[in-house]
Amino acid sequence: ETGVTQTPRHLVMGMTNKKSLKCEQHLGHNAMYWYKQSAKKPLELMFVYNFKEQTENNSVPSRFSPECPNSSHLFLHLHTLQPEDSALYLCASSQDRTTPPLEQYFGPGTRLTVT
Amino acid sequence: AQKVTQAQTEISVVEKEDVTLDCVYETRDTTYYLFWYKQPPSGELVFLIRRNSFDEQNEISGRYSWNFQKSTSSFNFTITASQVVDSAVYFCALSETLNQAGTALIFGKGTTLSVSS
Repeated sequence: ETGVTQTPRHLVMGMTNKKSLKCEQHLGHNAMYWYKQSAKKPLELMFVYNFKEQTENNSVPSRFSPECPNSSHLFLHLHTLQPEDSALYLCASSQDRTTPPLEQYFGPGTRLTVT
Repeated sequence: AQKVTQAQTEISVVEKEDVTLDCVYETRDTTYYLFWYKQPPSGELVFLIRRNSFDEQNEISGRYSWNFQKSTSSFNFTITASQVVDSAVYFCALSETLNQAGTALIFGKGTTLSVSS
């Protein structure tokens, strides 16, 4: 496979469930990102990892818990979510987190619905 | 504050028409970067272009062209002779320098382009 892949593509979960989103990049990049895309709102950066270290947590509630075991994989663990957390969750990667910023490559996203 | 405004929420055109997507930004950084991404119905954002604040030359890539005007803080995107496959949501983004090393991207709300045959 090439590029950035995300699984599952669709997820429906109750507010008491625990689930995980997975992202994998095959580009040899060192930086990975989680974004949230809600209807009629700009993409919101959630977390950033650079060389497996979390470098940014954009005031995300603790019911979202990221994990980056290596530079190719990124997880987003979900628990006790709220209906307003329903959104498209996008994963992205870039070569690294240098300045100037490099283009980010995105996965197809996971459409999450919280019931 | 850093901000990206895409005032056009939705645009509908007929094939072969030219269409311009507007992007206006606000930044306190003296050096910054601007991006355009395309999000087709499949969901993933596709990188189109990156432009730094010191390069005000317009860029053309096939049917796509970009007009960067620092004086008006705008970075507009024009599709010439639009095609049905151009139907997508287009996002403009601005780099933001963080206190730590590195940058983040601030995205506009996007413009949905519908091209009919």
